[in-house]
Amino acid sequence: EPEVTQTPSHQVTQMGQEVILRCVPISNHLYFYWYRQILGQKVEFLVSFYNNEISEKSEIFDDQFSVERPDGSNFTLKIRSTKLEDSAMYFCASSGPSPLHFGNGTRLTVT
Amino acid sequence: GDSVTQMEGPVTLSEEAFLTINCTYTATGYPSLFWYVQYPGEGLQLLLKATKADDKGSNKGFEATYRKETTSFHLEKGSVQVSDSAVYFCALSDRGYGQNFVFGPGTRLSVLP
Repeated sequence: EPEVTQTPSHQVTQMGQEVILRCVPISNHLYFYWYRQILGQKVEFLVSFYNNEISEKSEIFDDQFSVERPDGSNFTLKIRSTKLEDSAMYFCASSGPSPLHFGNGTRLTVT
Repeated sequence: GDSVTQMEGPVTLSEEAFLTINCTYTATGYPSLFWYVQYPGEGLQLLLKATKADDKGSNKGFEATYRKETTSFHLEKGSVQVSDSAVYFCALSDRGYGQNFVFGPGTRLSVLP
C-alpha cells in the first residue's frame, strides 16, 4: 500500500537555526498537509497545500513557517528560526480526497 | 468552530475486556468522522471512518457508528488485545475534499495481559 514518507525521523537543532522537514506524499494525491503534536498534547493543524499554493493555515503557521513543493514528489516544511516551543512531532499527510494518510512523523528537538 | 471531544484517558483494561471510547462532535455541516490510531513511536493510521448518518465503520474488530441525533461516534471493540495499546484519536472533516481535519485530544489505551 502506498505510504507517506518523512525524513529525517529525528532532528535536533539549536534555537535560532533553520530546519527543513521533508515529506514524500502518496504519488496520486493532490492535497498535502502539515500537522504537529507537542509531546502529550493534541494533534494540531498547521497548513494545507493544493495546486502549488497554501489553501489554509492555522494561527500556529506564522511567518517563521513556510512550505514548498520543489518538485513533483517532495513537500517540505521550513522553520526559519526555531524556538524551544517548536519542539514537537511534525506529521505530513496527503489526501485526494479524504481520508488523510499520515507519515510516521519527524521528531524535532530544539535545544 | 468545529470540535471533537473524547473521553479522558488513560484507559486501562485487561486482555479480552470490552472497550468503549466515547467521542462527540460539534460541526456546522454534515461531517465525515474518523478514528485514527497512533501506536508507540509511530505516526497516525486511519482505523475506520463513516461518511454519513447511521454508517458503521469497522476494521480489525473495532467498530463505530455515526449517530447524528447524539452527534457521537463511539469506538468499540468486543475483546481487546495487548497489541491494541495505543492512542486513539477521533476526528472530523466537515468540508469534504482536501480540507483540514479536526482532531480530538486522543485517548491512551493500555491493555494488560
